[in-house]
Amino acid sequence: GDSVTQMEGPVTLSEEAFLTINCTYTATGYPSLFWYVQYPGEGLQLLLKATKADDKGSNKGFEATYRKETTSFHLEKGSVQVSDSAVYFCALVPNDYKLSFGAGTTVTVRA
Amino acid sequence: SAVISQKPSRDICQRGTSLTIQCQVDSQVTMMFWYRQQPGQSLTLIATANQGSEATYESGFVIDKFPISRPNLTFSTLTVSNLSPEDSSIYLCSFGLAGMNTQYFGPGTRLTVL
Repeated sequence: GDSVTQMEGPVTLSEEAFLTINCTYTATGYPSLFWYVQYPGEGLQLLLKATKADDKGSNKGFEATYRKETTSFHLEKGSVQVSDSAVYFCALVPNDYKLSFGAGTTVTVRA
Repeated sequence: SAVISQKPSRDICQRGTSLTIQCQVDSQVTMMFWYRQQPGQSLTLIATANQGSEATYESGFVIDKFPISRPNLTFSTLTVSNLSPEDSSIYLCSFGLAGMNTQYFGPGTRLTVL
C-alpha cells in the first residue's frame, strides 16, 4: 500500500545551520505530497505541498521538491532558527483523499 | 481560508467515562476527518465524518468506541467511550474542500485518562 518513510530523529542543530529531513514514499500513480509541522503543544499546520513531479513547495524558508525518479520529497531550510523547533511530518495523498503520514521527525534548534 | 477549532483543548477523565470532542469550521466544508495521535507517535485516521450519514471507520476503529456525528457541513463531534488509560492521546479533526486533496487541521484535544 501507500506509505511514507522519514529519516528518524531526533535532530539537534545550532541556529543558522542547514536542515535536511529525508522523506521517501511508495505509492501507485501520482500522489500529492505534503509537509506538516507540529509546534510544541499545538495541532498540525500545513507547511508546504507539491502535487506533481518536479513541483517545488516552499514556505517560511522551507523547500521541498517532488522527485518522481527517486520517489522523494526531502525538506530543506538553509538557516534554521530556534522557533523552527518542532515535529515535522511528511505525508502523501494518493488518488483518494486519505492522508498517509510518516513517523515524524523531531527537530530541536539550539541558540 | 477556513478556520477550524476544537473544544475542549484538553481534559483529564476517569476510567470508564466518555469524552465528547467538538470540531467547528467557520465555513461549509465537504469532508471532515478525525485522527488520533498517541504519545510520541504519528497520526492515525480514525474515521471520515459524513454529513447526514454514518461515519466511515478505518480498520481497528469501531463505532461503539468512537461514535461520530456530523449534523451539518460545519460541525462534527467525536466521542471516545468507555475510557481507559490507553485512550490517552491527542485527538485532531481536519477538513478538506471539494476538488482539493489538502487537509487542514484543528489545534487538537489532549486527553489524559486516569
